Amino acid sequence: QKEVEQDPGPLSVPEGAIVSLNCTYSNSAFQYFMWYRQYSRKGPELLMYTYSSGNKEDGRFTAQVDKSSKYISLFIRDSQPSDSATYLCAMSAEGGSQGNLIFGKGTKLSVKP
Amino acid sequence: DAGVTQSPTHLIKTRGQHVTLRCSPISGHKSVSWYQQVLGQGPQFIFQYYEKEERGRGNFPDRFSARQFPNYSSELNVNALLLGDSALYLCASYRTGADTQYFGPGTRLTVL
Repeated sequence: QKEVEQDPGPLSVPEGAIVSLNCTYSNSAFQYFMWYRQYSRKGPELLMYTYSSGNKEDGRFTAQVDKSSKYISLFIRDSQPSDSATYLCAMSAEGGSQGNLIFGKGTKLSVKP
Repeated sequence: DAGVTQSPTHLIKTRGQHVTLRCSPISGHKSVSWYQQVLGQGPQFIFQYYEKEERGRGNFPDRFSARQFPNYSSELNVNALLLGDSALYLCASYRTGADTQYFGPGTRLTVL
């Protein structure tokens, strides 16, 4: 079993839809959870960062962490064609600057106009 | 502020050759990490340098090495290239004590 599991998709939705992206993990030591967005042939761009359990909202994006279930989610409201990208979840036991990040495979999202 | 910069953007090498990739962190960031991202996969950790000292190493062979310079820029070196080394090599930088890393655009290495 991989440490971080993420459905690679692809996921195709119409513009304006609510998108739900998810990752599960097996290492209970993970405390720092991140979502990165990666456009084709570019480096990952940090979208959301959450420490421990709970929700965090930033504009159209909401990140949720459920440590009891070892499950994290990213919701995108009112999705736009510009949201079309690969979304990577990443996590760490020691904090992003104290330890290496463990990534999921990424979910490829396409938002159709 | 400029983000993380990496050079070169693209590189084509043949099997058995050596390659050096370069990274300049965000101004004020003293730590860098290197990741390898094979097509269709998430990035995989290679090295972490914290204030010029190696802090961590991923599950990569000794053909991979890195160093960090006094100005906090970094080099990743790969010897005896294999076809399987073809990937996007990413550098991330972060401030001391921060919890988040910021990635550069990557260097795309193709080994023929």
